[in-house]
Amino acid sequence: ETGVTQSPTHLIKTRGQQVTLRCSSQSGHNTVSWYQQALGQGPQFIFQYYREEENGRGNFPPRFSGLQFPNYSSELNVNALELDDSALYLCASSTKTGVVETQYFGPGTRLLVL
Amino acid sequence: GQQLNQSPQSMFIQEGEDVSMNCTSSSIFNTWLWYKQDPGEGPVLLIALYKAGELTSNGRLTAQFGITRKDSFLNISASIPSDVGIYFCAGAFGNEKLTFGTGTRLTIIP
Repeated sequence: ETGVTQSPTHLIKTRGQQVTLRCSSQSGHNTVSWYQQALGQGPQFIFQYYREEENGRGNFPPRFSGLQFPNYSSELNVNALELDDSALYLCASSTKTGVVETQYFGPGTRLLVL
Repeated sequence: GQQLNQSPQSMFIQEGEDVSMNCTSSSIFNTWLWYKQDPGEGPVLLIALYKAGELTSNGRLTAQFGITRKDSFLNISASIPSDVGIYFCAGAFGNEKLTFGTGTRLTIIP
């Protein structure tokens, strides 16, 4: 158990809809990173939030957006869903205490877009 | 997006055998991490490496940070049934994003 929780566990949406996924970070962690994991692939970095500000973004379009709240929990929002958005969405929490940070992952939200 | 090259892609071994897998990158990292992912779960951190040449063990698992900073290796000794799963390497440079490998699927043949 990493202490990182995500909700919901599963979700089915249709093309064009919008979705919000939620993540609660491990106690004491101030940074949340989001990853997309397509079937059979490794996770791909979407973006990271540190102290409520976006702190780095991967190669994902603007319809992927996020928020971090004062308690360091986070949301991932995806607008105008496409079939290729079907994937496991993972969040990972960490603490920026030095040069290196170790990220701990939640169980993920599996999104299916029909 | 970029993914690191992991090999082998899959392994079929008998219980008790040793396992070796590796991960290579075209760019350097200053952190290498190894994760294991079970079906329907998020990756779980196994070993973290922070220095080129470093060799670190965690029980039956041993990992090494390559001297060139562009590769890493994971060995599992005396495999047991609970070792089944997908193993991912991940590299990071500073406080930046993790770049993951393509994964090695480990299956144990009864």
